[in-house]
Amino acid sequence: NAGVTQTPKFRVLKTGQSMTLLCAQDMNHEYMYWYRQDPGMGLRLIHYSVGEGTTAKGEVPDGYNVSRLKKQNFLLGLESAAPSQTSVYFCASSYSPNARGIFGPGTRLTVL
Amino acid sequence: KQEVTQIPAALSVPEGENLVLNCSFTDSAIYNLQWFRQDPGKGLTSLLLIQSSQREQTSGRLNASLDKSSGRSTLYIAASQPGDSATYLCAVSGGTSYGKLTFGQGTILTVHP
Repeated sequence: NAGVTQTPKFRVLKTGQSMTLLCAQDMNHEYMYWYRQDPGMGLRLIHYSVGEGTTAKGEVPDGYNVSRLKKQNFLLGLESAAPSQTSVYFCASSYSPNARGIFGPGTRLTVL
Repeated sequence: KQEVTQIPAALSVPEGENLVLNCSFTDSAIYNLQWFRQDPGKGLTSLLLIQSSQREQTSGRLNASLDKSSGRSTLYIAASQPGDSATYLCAVSGGTSYGKLTFGQGTILTVHP
């Protein structure tokens, strides 16, 4: 039982490049979330999913897209990276809205 | 819009002290409140979850209380140890939020020997 895993752990991009962050969970959780953590801003929700095939916007969705084609995977895409997207990205999952959130180890992204 | 505030921003105590971390939120219509621990460069670990109908939860040396009407929660750590040094985050889930969490900025705790 690996919990929540995130790939990659670190990445450096140039402005305008694209990339996809992968989140995978093996707990059969319905709910999955992408957050970003910035100094002085705390963690903020980017997008979330309440089940396979569903996605919805969070607090700071601009510049990101997501997909949940399989229940166990939640992908976060940056189509044209900007320096403002330099951050640590955390994926989380939960069994229900009222259950504990299980967080992944994070992806540290730097956009030059 | 829900806002979560944590006080103090940082706390340094000698080993063995009992301590209290504070969390306040502006909208009392919450589903639950969680306390997380984050070690430097690591992910978040959920320590305690208090449902909106509960007043407190305990796990080992940790005790979290919730006063929903006043929008406050406290995390009590008994007999602190150097291994407790970390950032502690409070997060609330709204009534119709599908488990979406609103986080506080965290309290950086240092326990020195």
